[in-house]
Amino acid sequence: GQQLNQSPQSMFIQEGEDVSMNCTSSSIFNTWLWYKQEPGEGPVLLIALYKAGELTSNGRLTAQFGITRKDSFLNISASIPSDVGIYFCAGHDGNTGKLIFGQGTTLQVKP
Amino acid sequence: GAVVSQHPSWVICKSGTSVKIECRSLDFQATTMFWYRQFPKQSLMLMATSNEGSKATYEQGVEKDKFLINHASLTLSTLTVTSAHPEDSSFYICSAPIWDSGPHYGYTFGSGTRLTVV
Repeated sequence: GQQLNQSPQSMFIQEGEDVSMNCTSSSIFNTWLWYKQEPGEGPVLLIALYKAGELTSNGRLTAQFGITRKDSFLNISASIPSDVGIYFCAGHDGNTGKLIFGQGTTLQVKP
Repeated sequence: GAVVSQHPSWVICKSGTSVKIECRSLDFQATTMFWYRQFPKQSLMLMATSNEGSKATYEQGVEKDKFLINHASLTLSTLTVTSAHPEDSSFYICSAPIWDSGPHYGYTFGSGTRLTVV
């Protein structure tokens, strides 16, 4: 079945540093979504990407939909302690209507 | 914005009993609801898709007789874990597709239910 490879698996950074994570897929998606999940909570949508090549920002977050439609990255600039959590990429399969999730990137920020 | 309310947020039950988890769309109609299971430090795995007025479709390897899904109305979908066992202990999350004023859409998630079977 479809798989998303998300990396890195975890990051431990200093407050103020920039962060970058990415996802690659063996197949094409028509939508890429980035979510953040905090302990004991459901995922919360951060950024949605609908067009190949699209670059979208949401505050300190920036994400891009790869030209090939098989990859996406998320950047967080000037990290702060409340950025701590697990970040998931998700690709939407237009044929089945399902969301396929990456394995997640656990982010820890040291004050 | 579109909100899915999920209850309970946590539940502890004895082995062999059944547990029902509810997801309600509060300010929109959800004709489809996706149910996920998440084990500690793992990603979300799709279990099944419920559609209002029809039978749910289950992913490969998910026992439909064990995980009963009912989508009785456009605002309510339920997942019942029957004859629960300790290995069913997990974090269960529902999700519904939502649309903006244009052609774009996303998925909104419930807050999850932590099930512990003892």
